[in-house]
Amino acid sequence: DQQVKQNSPSLSVQEGRISILNCDYTNSMFDYFLWYKKYPAEGPTFLISISSIKDKNEDGRFTVFLNKSAKHLSLHIVPSQPGDSAVYFCAARGETSGSRLTFGEGTQLTVNP
Amino acid sequence: DTGVSQNPRHKITKRGQNVTFRCDPISEHNRLYWYRQTLGQGPEFLTYFQNEAQLEKSRLLSDRFSAERPKGSFSTLEIQRTEQGDSAMYLCASSLEGWSTEAFFGQGTRLTVV
Repeated sequence: DQQVKQNSPSLSVQEGRISILNCDYTNSMFDYFLWYKKYPAEGPTFLISISSIKDKNEDGRFTVFLNKSAKHLSLHIVPSQPGDSAVYFCAARGETSGSRLTFGEGTQLTVNP
Repeated sequence: DTGVSQNPRHKITKRGQNVTFRCDPISEHNRLYWYRQTLGQGPEFLTYFQNEAQLEKSRLLSDRFSAERPKGSFSTLEIQRTEQGDSAMYLCASSLEGWSTEAFFGQGTRLTVV
């Protein structure tokens, strides 16, 4: 039962352009969403989060959008930089799932110079 | 305090042996989590502590797995009678208590069972 799904295993963009990573979830009890970035041989690093009472959160080049009715969120990176190349994980938690995070499968982003 | 620390970084063991991993969380964090990640998948929740109390365990945590956090600081994860299917990256994370707090992950311990 994959409650958080990232349907694109990989994404390739040119440096300076926008990267859009997508995530869908099925559990309507999820109320807090996070994006993590992971480089090879390292643990995931927290990037940005959003609560279900908002539909947008922005931090520098990173913006997360939440569409509760569609159970969809997306991460926008603009402008994309080669150093952004990593695996991006979407994660969610909610009242019924306690403190545990449920992760998607990840999307490998490659930013080409 | 430079973050969540996990030891060892890599462990190769023979099938049937026991292994133990250690996690040192960020010092002021009272919550500690263990996750497991296999190739091509996101991290999967195993168990979670608040201080020294183990509050939640996943069904993924079979009887061969045990975790402790004896003094509410560092934690250990032991796998008894390892199987090849236990090969994975074991990730530890810690966080403050609260609804909108993010978890900070360590670099993980990569286990290979041969």
